[in-house]
Amino acid sequence: AQTVTQSQPEMSVQEAETVTLSCTYDTSENNYYLFWYKQPPSRQMILVIRQEAYKQQNATENRFSVNFQKAAKSFSLKISDSQLGDTAMYFCAFMKHADTGNQFYFGTGTSLTVIP
Amino acid sequence: NAGVMQNPRHLVRRRGQEARLRCSPVKGHSHVYWYRQLPEEGLKFMVYLQKENIIDESGMPKERFSAEFPKEGPSILRIQQVVRGDSAAYFCASSPGLSFYEQYFGPGTRLTVT
Repeated sequence: AQTVTQSQPEMSVQEAETVTLSCTYDTSENNYYLFWYKQPPSRQMILVIRQEAYKQQNATENRFSVNFQKAAKSFSLKISDSQLGDTAMYFCAFMKHADTGNQFYFGTGTSLTVIP
Repeated sequence: NAGVMQNPRHLVRRRGQEARLRCSPVKGHSHVYWYRQLPEEGLKFMVYLQKENIIDESGMPKERFSAEFPKEGPSILRIQQVVRGDSAAYFCASSPGLSFYEQYFGPGTRLTVT
């Protein structure tokens, strides 16, 4: 079974500073995808960034980047130059591809507050 | 270029009533997933459907819950005889097919059982 663990229920960061959110996962799969989703107060789930497990290069999307350590099964999210609009719940997710469909597993989330 | 639509956004039901949640996937998407988010928790997979087929319902409670995705119209998640513990946010996501790894989420339906 796949599990996703986010050990930081809450975090805060000063505006313009950098923050790192942790995520670890457990799987016996070799090919999979990892995602970070943002859920602002509107509750809409928004994809922030994704990483293919077969790629060694860490994914980057503007101010968001990941540190993917496949051997350690770690997938942390770094937010640079934090903005007030980054305040949200952040969910780490693991996806494995099965013949019957893609199966997603989510962590319990980290609530991030950006302090002005 | 509409995304995933869910309605209603908020639904209040008394214990014992039925709740019907609707999800219209992105146009052209034939795969729909339903998730439940309890307060202070992450999303938990419930069921995966393709048109007219339930592919994986391993996350669905065995009783009172059912889902369908007809050939025409939205996907429906039905909860019969709701109880307080059913209060949660229910999210629908869609994808174009098996080879696509990204899911597009709807805004969710917040169900409150009084």
